[in-house]
Amino acid sequence: AQTVTQSQPEMSVQEAETVTLSCTYDTSESDYYLFWYKQPPSRQMILVIRQEAYKQQNATENRFSVNFQKAAKSFSLKISDSQLGDAAMYFCAYTIVTGTASKLTFGTGTRLQVTL
Amino acid sequence: GAVVSQHPSRVICKSGTSVKIECRSLDFQATTMFWYRQFPKQSLMLMATSNEGSKATYEQGVEKDKFLINHASLTLSTLTVTSAHPEDSSFYICSARGRPAYNEKLFFGSGTQLSVL
Repeated sequence: AQTVTQSQPEMSVQEAETVTLSCTYDTSESDYYLFWYKQPPSRQMILVIRQEAYKQQNATENRFSVNFQKAAKSFSLKISDSQLGDAAMYFCAYTIVTGTASKLTFGTGTRLQVTL
Repeated sequence: GAVVSQHPSRVICKSGTSVKIECRSLDFQATTMFWYRQFPKQSLMLMATSNEGSKATYEQGVEKDKFLINHASLTLSTLTVTSAHPEDSSFYICSARGRPAYNEKLFFGSGTQLSVL
């Protein structure tokens, strides 16, 4: 079974600084997607970034970037120039690529605090 | 971007009653919808996957007779918690994926907080 592990229950970063959230996963599949989702206090799930496993290039979205290490099954999220609005729960998630419905498996989450 | 509307956002009910939660895709056809449950300070746990026009597939440990899922159209899926009990109190979130199936983009509803007294 696929599993997603986030070893940092909580992280803290000062405004304007950089923080990295860790995620590892376990799978025997070769083709899959990885995601980082943000869940602010409103509890709305917001897609932060997505990475296709077949792509070697790390995905970036403005201040958010990932370090995807396929062999190590590692998928960390780097947030640069942190802002107060980045404070939220962050979930790493995984899904396989199939022709039919494929479900997301979520990690346990990391709560990010942003301080002044 | 695609919008998924989930209603109601909050519901309080008495033990023994049934509660229906709706999940609608507003501007796209959702071939597949997923229902998740989230306990306080925990992750999202998949309950079931529903495909339009067919029976839902439930995850292990989820009672299909208690959590009835209907996906009667390409824009609507419903989750009915039957004979709700306090232990069913939780945050329920739906997500939807549109055509084509390979884009792997999921759009989430805003969730429903269920409190059973």
